[in-house]
Amino acid sequence: QLQLVESGGGLVKPGGSLTLSCEASGFTFSDFFMNWVRQAPGKGLEWISYISRSGSMKEYAESVTGRFTISRDNAKRSLYLEMNSLRVEDTAVYYCAREVANHNNMDVWGKGTTVTVSS
Amino acid sequence: DIQMTQSPSSLSASVGDAVTITCRASQSISTFLSWYRQKPGKAPELLIYGTSSLRRGAPSRFSGSGSGTEFTLTISSLQPEDFATYYCQQSYTTPRTFGPGTKVDFK
Repeated sequence: QLQLVESGGGLVKPGGSLTLSCEASGFTFSDFFMNWVRQAPGKGLEWISYISRSGSMKEYAESVTGRFTISRDNAKRSLYLEMNSLRVEDTAVYYCAREVANHNNMDVWGKGTTVTVSS
Repeated sequence: DIQMTQSPSSLSASVGDAVTITCRASQSISTFLSWYRQKPGKAPELLIYGTSSLRRGAPSRFSGSGSGTEFTLTISSLQPEDFATYYCQQSYTTPRTFGPGTKVDFK
């Protein structure tokens, strides 16, 4: 069964740091680009980052560039998002999603992990 | 960045109704357009990719069309589980922008 499970969310103060993890199962993790997408409370979806199969290529939304770092460990079938200098506006549910080549659509999503940035 | 817009932002409908949602891109994205359904409190789920390809396992009442900058999602006969929010997303380039969503609720 194709599955992505996020973890690592929690409550953090503004300016703090947090690292999210996403563990994959049911498919060959190293064959796929991976994404992080977030959703602020009551708001729409916001793509924030992706990483290539080997990890050599990474891209970020402007809103997180310089503060967030995406990485992966194919041996551990895991994706990570290191978040630094967190702001109140980073409060959201964070989803990891698998990206299928050719049409670049996100076909498998995790259930999400909640990050709350508040003093 | 490519901006995505959706119309309407919300609509009210009944079970059995046909529904159409429109998505527009600020520049051509060829056919790199996907549609997602998000039920309350749940993760998004892929319905349509490549503008018109139905995701394996997705109900056949969903269909997509369009190219360039204008796209549509049609639900031929609304079912109870379809009362949700729908997002389009372009995957032509990064950042991979989503539309603001269309909420479909009960009339």
